Amino acid sequence: GAVVSQHPSWVICKSGTSVKIECRSLDFQATTMFWYRQFPKQSLMLMATSNEGSKATYEQGVEKDKFLINHASLTLSTLTVTSAHPEDSSFYICSARPGQLNTEAFFGQGTRLTVV
Amino acid sequence: QKEVEQDPGPLSVPEGAIVSLNCTYSNSAFQYFMWYRQYSRKGPELLMYTYSSGNKEDGRFTAQVDKSSKYISLFIRDSQPSDSATYLCATSGSSNTGKLIFGQGTTLQVKP
Repeated sequence: GAVVSQHPSWVICKSGTSVKIECRSLDFQATTMFWYRQFPKQSLMLMATSNEGSKATYEQGVEKDKFLINHASLTLSTLTVTSAHPEDSSFYICSARPGQLNTEAFFGQGTRLTVV
Repeated sequence: QKEVEQDPGPLSVPEGAIVSLNCTYSNSAFQYFMWYRQYSRKGPELLMYTYSSGNKEDGRFTAQVDKSSKYISLFIRDSQPSDSATYLCATSGSSNTGKLIFGQGTTLQVKP
């Protein structure tokens, strides 16, 4: 299957600082990528749709000023958690599709964020 | 009612058993269905991708879709301890946005 790489795999930061997470499609181009959040023992919740060359589309209840998404190229999307707080501690996962929007979605390995 | 319902388990079986994992969904317009396996602290790994009603087989895994009942299943034959993970069903829903709707995930433990 297609490869989606996410970096870093884990990060610890202090409250009030910002953290950037990168999502790369390694062997295909992706005009659309998706960012999910997962709390322990819970399923994945979609946060936003990242669109190459345009603004991201956020799901209801997700603060766009707190979770900044940039999709600057066809192989890279970044999620920046700004002014992080302990309640932002979670597992963040990105996904992308090599083809049409209803084809298989491949996920990155996830980033575990801990805010202390 | 959740759009996709999945029993979280946990489900514990002996090695070699046949495992049946199931999900139901609420909207008959949902089209594409996937099964993902997720190991602890890792991203989901795509196992099966289906569209039409019926069975799709890949090695020890069989995905089954029954659109009349809005029911999807994943069967694992000859289960192995390495199959111990959380299994997530997902659907692309009824729109062509690329978003996925996930079930809660079922935690499976295969005991040697």
